[in-house]
Amino acid sequence: GIQVEQSPPDLILQEGANSTLRCNFSDSVNNLQWFHQNPWGQLINLFYIPSGTKQNGRLSATTVATERYSLLYISSSQTTDSGVYFCAVVPPGNDMRFGAGTRLTVKP
Amino acid sequence: DGGITQSPKYLFRKEGQNVTLSCEQNLNHDAMYWYRQDPGQGLRLIYYSQIVNDFQKGDIAEGYSVSREKKESFPLTVTSAQKNPTAFYLCASSIGAGELFFGEGSRLTVL
Repeated sequence: GIQVEQSPPDLILQEGANSTLRCNFSDSVNNLQWFHQNPWGQLINLFYIPSGTKQNGRLSATTVATERYSLLYISSSQTTDSGVYFCAVVPPGNDMRFGAGTRLTVKP
Repeated sequence: DGGITQSPKYLFRKEGQNVTLSCEQNLNHDAMYWYRQDPGQGLRLIYYSQIVNDFQKGDIAEGYSVSREKKESFPLTVTSAQKNPTAFYLCASSIGAGELFFGEGSRLTVL
């Protein structure tokens, strides 16, 4: 089955810093989503981005489907950005598969 | 408000007991899913259903059962056959294979 690799596995930032999270996938996909899991376990939808670039406030994402990767950019990080960021993909004719996540800690 | 409601949020169970987790959605989504998350890990698919009265096994279906009698509801039963049931369980729904939305999760602890 498809492999979804996220990097880095852990990231520690000082408040105000910028960061880039990466998601590589091993096969073509129909859909790709980025989620933020907060400390209470809830998964928050960040982006639905099978291709192209989207922006939402301090967050933006780019997916290059032909090269099988997606990037999540966080600018001017805040302590509330802490948590785990998951990339998830849907291969053709299949169900959603998750990466192992990037654990982000933003220190004040 | 439209959304996905999971209950209970916390559940304790003795070994050998079956337990059923509820998942209800009012988003008019066709597809519903159950995922399991262990501490520090990603999500793994247990079961999914694309239409009423039909469902398919995911990667870790052993020891679990589901039903899909109504479009809005997709309950998950954790049976006594599940060897390590303590985990965080997440229900999700989507329109077809489109954007996935999650409930707040149910945390099951086996004593």
